[in-house]
Amino acid sequence: LAKTTQPISMDSYEGQEVNITCSHNNIATNDYITWYQQFPSQGPRFIIQGYKTKVTNEVASLFIPADRKSSTLSLPRVSLSDTAVYYCLSGSGGYQKVTFGIGTKLQVIP
Amino acid sequence: GAVVSQHPSWVICKSGTSVKIECRSLDFQATTMFWYRQFPKQSLMLMATSNEGSKATYEQGVEKDKFLINHASLTLSTLTVTSAHPEDSSFYICSARPIAGQGNSPLHFGNGTRLTVT
Repeated sequence: LAKTTQPISMDSYEGQEVNITCSHNNIATNDYITWYQQFPSQGPRFIIQGYKTKVTNEVASLFIPADRKSSTLSLPRVSLSDTAVYYCLSGSGGYQKVTFGIGTKLQVIP
Repeated sequence: GAVVSQHPSWVICKSGTSVKIECRSLDFQATTMFWYRQFPKQSLMLMATSNEGSKATYEQGVEKDKFLINHASLTLSTLTVTSAHPEDSSFYICSARPIAGQGNSPLHFGNGTRLTVT
């Protein structure tokens, strides 16, 4: 049973802000939300991680509402190079294994 | 940032031979490493959890005698695909989580190994 649910695909024009929402209705108290980006034939790359409210770094923002049953990855002003698959994962880290859902394939259009 | 090196990046082998893939954490120690397999246009599938100094834990449906995992040190785990067959052709990816701050440390991934069995 998948721990997270995301849209399968999204399209966006260059320069627009993209928001990808992930549902994690059964998130545990100790779980964090982590987003990864994957390009074809490469390993996933860490984007951002959060526990609650808002986290921002140099590439993205992550919004987590108070109930933590969902989260939204926000990519400001996307470019063609942001075309990739984005994965949302929940887990408490440590020795806990990490399983991936299907991810969201983002296609940025010129 | 934390770097995971995976080698080789690609390999072609003949059916029936064995192939070893190395996964190294270059600037951190990892008690636990994970091995994934990814088929075209699909998500990553967890194969096994590699624990330093102990036996690996395999996911259901993954043959432990075919996919041998050795986690000999805190910075190195290896996956050996034994008696490879064309259906084992896939993209294999390792990942590791730093020991320090392990509670919420994100995983760091290698760049994957493309295995083609002819």
